[in-house]
Amino acid sequence: QLQLQESGPGLVEPSETLSLTCTVSGDSIGSSGHPWGWIRQPPGKGLEWIGTMFYSGSTHYNPSLKSRVTISMDTSKNQLSLNLTSVTVADTAVYFCARDGCDGSGCSQYNWFDPWGPGALVTVSS
Amino acid sequence: DIVMTQSPDSLAVSLGERATINCKSSQSVLYTSSSKNYLAWYQQKPRQPPKLLIYWASTREAGVPERFSGSGSGTDFTLTINSLQAEDVAVYYCQQYYNTPLTFGGGTKVEIK
Repeated sequence: QLQLQESGPGLVEPSETLSLTCTVSGDSIGSSGHPWGWIRQPPGKGLEWIGTMFYSGSTHYNPSLKSRVTISMDTSKNQLSLNLTSVTVADTAVYFCARDGCDGSGCSQYNWFDPWGPGALVTVSS
Repeated sequence: DIVMTQSPDSLAVSLGERATINCKSSQSVLYTSSSKNYLAWYQQKPRQPPKLLIYWASTREAGVPERFSGSGSGTDFTLTINSLQAEDVAVYYCQQYYNTPLTFGGGTKVEIK
């Protein structure tokens, strides 16, 4: 059964770098063919797509965050990582990792997300 | 960016009644060559991640109860919950994957009347 688990510091100081890891079990992130993404949700608010990494290694980021975000993968550890630099209180959110949910033929370059990890709350505060 | 607008923000429905949630995109998410609408629906319960319900606007994910259905095309979409159950209390989101940035609606909170 595919499972995703986010981990990382729950508190980050303003202007510092937010770093999270998503550990995947039940699938190989480097060879499954599925893209993998990060999505965030500020407390009590809606969902914002951060970016997606493809099995080729290429990435695509939300333009609103592009200058500050890096998504990478470590296939030896079967982990996806997120780095967000120069954080402010506006970056306080639950951060989710998720797999592109499309299987088989008929998939587009981007699809829905399924499944999602449980999420990791990151608070930006001094 | 494609803006996804959901309505209403919240609704209260009696158990066993129907709940209807609307999602409107600022531009069409229908890919004409495939005749597919690039739209998904999710359910999010408190302190849980979103759970996929519907993709391609009307295809129910495996294991999702039949009382959940999606419809619509182009820019106007609907998620219908027939015979609302207590466990359906949640916030529901639509998402377009027609182009990037991928965007979500603001959410609709469904409660029991």
